[in-house]
Amino acid sequence: LAKTTQPISMDSYEGQEVNITCSHNNIATNDYITWYQQFPSQGPRFIIQGYKTKVTNEVASLFIPADRKSSTLSLPRVSLSDTAVYYCLVVLKAAGNKLTFGGGTRVLVKP
Amino acid sequence: ETGVTQSPTHLIKTRGQQVTLRCSSQSGHNTVSWYQQALGQGPQFIFQYYREEENGRGNFPPRFSGLQFPNYSSELNVNALELDDSALYLCASSFLGDTLGPDTQYFGPGTRLTVL
Repeated sequence: LAKTTQPISMDSYEGQEVNITCSHNNIATNDYITWYQQFPSQGPRFIIQGYKTKVTNEVASLFIPADRKSSTLSLPRVSLSDTAVYYCLVVLKAAGNKLTFGGGTRVLVKP
Repeated sequence: ETGVTQSPTHLIKTRGQQVTLRCSSQSGHNTVSWYQQALGQGPQFIFQYYREEENGRGNFPPRFSGLQFPNYSSELNVNALELDDSALYLCASSFLGDTLGPDTQYFGPGTRLTVL
């Protein structure tokens, strides 16, 4: 399984854009990149998933370079409620595979 | 909201006891995965159920067992509880079909288990 590396923590301010970069040097051809958000004592919430280039939805964008060895989650104009732990995962394009969570990135949004 | 529900929300047990946690999957999903999350750590995979059979297991002892029912809901059973079993237990559901695609899992709110 491809291992992911992401910063332990990041601070930001309300209204700013937050970019979290995740390294996954050993990503395989059939792997997808997935990001989850988790608040204390709650289940992880699916944010976005992609395979290559750029994916955008109503809450975030995901940028994946051509070599796919890293990815960047972009949260536009964060608010205090975006304070959470963000997990980057590599998900195998096949059935029945477990999700392997690392330590995640703790994002603190300040007023 | 994901549509994945878990019960109970909180539970307190003593060492040596047994516990059963329940999960209802999101409509249209046929697979349930269970995770254990200790305080300050990321979730750890326990096992996954697909078509009522165990379909993958993490590094957890046999006293962690499960079931999946025909309606795709699932139970996690833990026997001979230990203090270290205190954690947030998460259930995630997904749809596995014949075509290849990422196993996108959607999580429930979790059950907080405290073992005294």
